Amino acid sequence: AQTVTQSQPEMSVQEAETVTLSCTYDTSESNYYLFWYKQPPSRQMILVIRQEAYKQQNATENRFSVNFQKAAKSFSLKISDSQLGDTAMYFCAFMNRIQGAQKLVFGQGTRLTINP
Amino acid sequence: DTAVSQTPKYLVTQMGNDKSIKCEQNLGHDTMYWYKQDSKKFLKIMFSYNNKELIINETVPNRFSPKSPDKAHLNLHINSLELGDSAVYFCASSLGQLGAYGYTFGSGTRLTVV
Repeated sequence: AQTVTQSQPEMSVQEAETVTLSCTYDTSESNYYLFWYKQPPSRQMILVIRQEAYKQQNATENRFSVNFQKAAKSFSLKISDSQLGDTAMYFCAFMNRIQGAQKLVFGQGTRLTINP
Repeated sequence: DTAVSQTPKYLVTQMGNDKSIKCEQNLGHDTMYWYKQDSKKFLKIMFSYNNKELIINETVPNRFSPKSPDKAHLNLHINSLELGDSAVYFCASSLGQLGAYGYTFGSGTRLTVV
């Protein structure tokens, strides 16, 4: 069953604007990890940011920040001052425990285009 | 000084052939994975090895057989290739099964079966 949902298949903004990508997930666990990965046209999967569920403070990495709402099981990514190099597929991922083994489960992805 | 390296990057082969994809990591990680990314960009785990031991085996056809000679290597062998096997295959690694710091991915192998 799908446990990570990204409801925006595609988004497009102008350079320097702020954009927010949404992600929701489903779990009965109380402690887990959430991630956003970026996949540019080069195909490489790049870790953008991570969040530990037991930390209430939202993670921040330079222009990238998250809005983690644990009760709502929501984990959105905000990109400030967007740049052309931010154009990529963005995947939300949840570290899920299945039958005693941890595995990273990905959402369907959001294709983000930054226009000049 | 590539962290997770996969070879080859591109593979074009005919139906029915057998092929292998190799993966090596120099991060000192003890857990390695194979993921498949389909034409719609969806990423799904196939296998996971911890210290050479298989710990995750998703519902993958028996034609796919992973091999881990040591904890720095995880190879994927595919027998009797089918058109539906065309995809991008990613190798990844993490420190510990918990993967608390996420996975480090290789650059992927684009497999095209014709």
